[in-house]
Amino acid sequence: DGGITQSPKYLFRKEGQNVTLSCEQNLNHDAMYWYRQDPGQGLRLIYYSQIVNDFQKGDIAEGYSVSREKKESFPLTVTSAQKNPTAFYLCASSIGPIVGQAQGEQYFGPGTRLTVT
Amino acid sequence: GESVGLHLPTLSVQEGDNSIINCAYSNSASDYFIWYKQESGKGPQFIIDIRSNMDKRQGQRVTVLLNKTVKHLSLQIAATQPGDSAVYFCAEINSWGKLQFGAGTQVVVTP
Repeated sequence: DGGITQSPKYLFRKEGQNVTLSCEQNLNHDAMYWYRQDPGQGLRLIYYSQIVNDFQKGDIAEGYSVSREKKESFPLTVTSAQKNPTAFYLCASSIGPIVGQAQGEQYFGPGTRLTVT
Repeated sequence: GESVGLHLPTLSVQEGDNSIINCAYSNSASDYFIWYKQESGKGPQFIIDIRSNMDKRQGQRVTVLLNKTVKHLSLQIAATQPGDSAVYFCAEINSWGKLQFGAGTQVVVTP
């Protein structure tokens, strides 16, 4: 089945450690996105990538890094510089970044809940 | 700044009744809107979308209404079922393709 996978579902880390969250899609989508969701709040954009080997900062990129070496993969690293890393992280993809009914809809993965203590 | 927001943080609905979830947006340049449903611990799922040249679109048990005059979007769920309990987000796509989400409305279906 086509879709987006994120692993692991739950992740625990000690403060001061970097951690990388996985996101893979087999939908042949060009654009991929990372969002952060805190309890009772909406989604905030961390980074997005419109095409392989290119990515842009979103609204809350500080303390995070990404890479897009393959079309299918868009891993997110939460660095020790991120002040409040504990959150639910969602990866999404879309056909392309250009506005349009088919291109605009984003498909979401199941999310990774990161807890840093 | 431009923003998308929801009027009600929590909506309690009796099973079988209709639900109406409201959303206000301020970016008049946005021309595409989506409603997502997010169940606890899962990623958002697409429900229905609407373009700005429409004022109404219907799906299975759901209807989205768009009022551009007052920049208001609503999602109506007919005959609400327990499985409809979730957080519902409206989102707008601006002119360069960025998706902006509102804070969400928690819908609680009671027996």
